[in-house]
Amino acid sequence: DADVTQTPRNRITKTGKRIMLECSQTKGHDRMYWYRQDPGLGLRLIYYSFDVKDINKGEISDGYSVSRQAQAKFSLSLESAIPNQTALYFCATSGTSGADNEQFFGPGTRLTVL
Amino acid sequence: AQTVTQSQPEMSVQEAETVTLSCTYDTSESDYYLFWYKQPPSRQMILVIRQEAYKQQNATENRFSVNFQKAAKSFSLKISDSQLGDAAMYFCAQQSNFGNEKLTFGTGTRLTIIP
Repeated sequence: DADVTQTPRNRITKTGKRIMLECSQTKGHDRMYWYRQDPGLGLRLIYYSFDVKDINKGEISDGYSVSRQAQAKFSLSLESAIPNQTALYFCATSGTSGADNEQFFGPGTRLTVL
Repeated sequence: AQTVTQSQPEMSVQEAETVTLSCTYDTSESDYYLFWYKQPPSRQMILVIRQEAYKQQNATENRFSVNFQKAAKSFSLKISDSQLGDAAMYFCAQQSNFGNEKLTFGTGTRLTIIP
């Protein structure tokens, strides 16, 4: 079984709809991240959480919100989706600093907003 | 702010040959990590190799090695004996060792392997 899972894997929605992307991990990591990937731009950080009570904005958080329901679960919401939020979304997890800081990525969710 | 630059949008190499992908970065920190990630058509992000900035020795993982030039802020990836399975997008990334420790990614290099 995959260590980091994302649901759904693909989603098509309409402008103005609310949508939630979910991430679960079995690695026992405290730290979780949401990234967005656009063609030609690499991955950019949306939100990150170092534990269930610690949530922080990344560089492109406008239009997004997150919820850390448990150590293993971190969801990303688009309250009112717009077409320029069409992208590939990745969840990632990591341990604490130092040798355990490698980030492990989920398989990605391809979101299309019409 | 941290920035990572990959100046080669596309590269190609003959199977079994060697190819080098370039990456430069900018940071004011002295302690950080550098990574190369591979993204095949399956879109999964796979860690290829990592380098700790305080270590002078270049990291090596089987056919993959890096040339880390800290003063020049350069971190290139060399793939030896290229295989068809190496075809993918390759992303260079930097991670601070302090604060939020987020990954800052370059824009990627698409590597094609020619049979």
